[in-house]
Amino acid sequence: NAGVTQTPKFQVLKTGQSMTLQCAQDMNHEYMSWYRQDPGMGLRLIHYSVGAGITDQGEVPNGYNVSRSTTEDFPLRLLSAAPSQTSVYFCASSYRARASSYNSPLHFGNGTRLTVT
Amino acid sequence: GQSLEQPSEVTAVEGAIVQINCTYQTSGFYGLSWYQQHDGGAPTFLSYNALDGLEETGRFSSFLSRSDSYGYLLLQELQMKDSASYFCAVRPRQAGTALIFGKGTTLSVSS
Repeated sequence: NAGVTQTPKFQVLKTGQSMTLQCAQDMNHEYMSWYRQDPGMGLRLIHYSVGAGITDQGEVPNGYNVSRSTTEDFPLRLLSAAPSQTSVYFCASSYRARASSYNSPLHFGNGTRLTVT
Repeated sequence: GQSLEQPSEVTAVEGAIVQINCTYQTSGFYGLSWYQQHDGGAPTFLSYNALDGLEETGRFSSFLSRSDSYGYLLLQELQMKDSASYFCAVRPRQAGTALIFGKGTTLSVSS
């Protein structure tokens, strides 16, 4: 199994450009999410999905769009990149926990390092 | 809303025991998780507490007290490879399975 695969690993954009960060998982996980990580800020949730066709906003959704047309893929779109979006982006997936006592750990990809100039 | 507070840095020597605390303010959550991240790589799952008390996994243990809004990760017999960032996280009830993370604690282990 490849697990969670993110592409590209590195990307440099100019302000105003658009791009899509790709995320794919081969574990048949229902739940997928995107986080951004900035120095001293930890991992902040951008968007998440509990299944194909269902998405919801996280803590910092502005400037990002997502869609979930298949179980495997969860792309993150930046419509008009801004320097404030310079960050490391992590995609993560898990089974959807069915009960409060059941742990469903997140599996993370290796991240995409994005710089917006 | 939810907020989790952790110390930003902790230092220790090989062989020692270190405790990383996590205090939280949240209206309700399913459980407290801990993740480890080396050098900006992919975070990996360490431990989960659904109920109050201690969970032990090898050299690592995690504790949760809902009445005190407090948890901790205990690392024993520290090794150099334990130098990493450690994040506590909660799964709020209202957000389904979306994990919310603390800002992380950087642990530096020296010889």
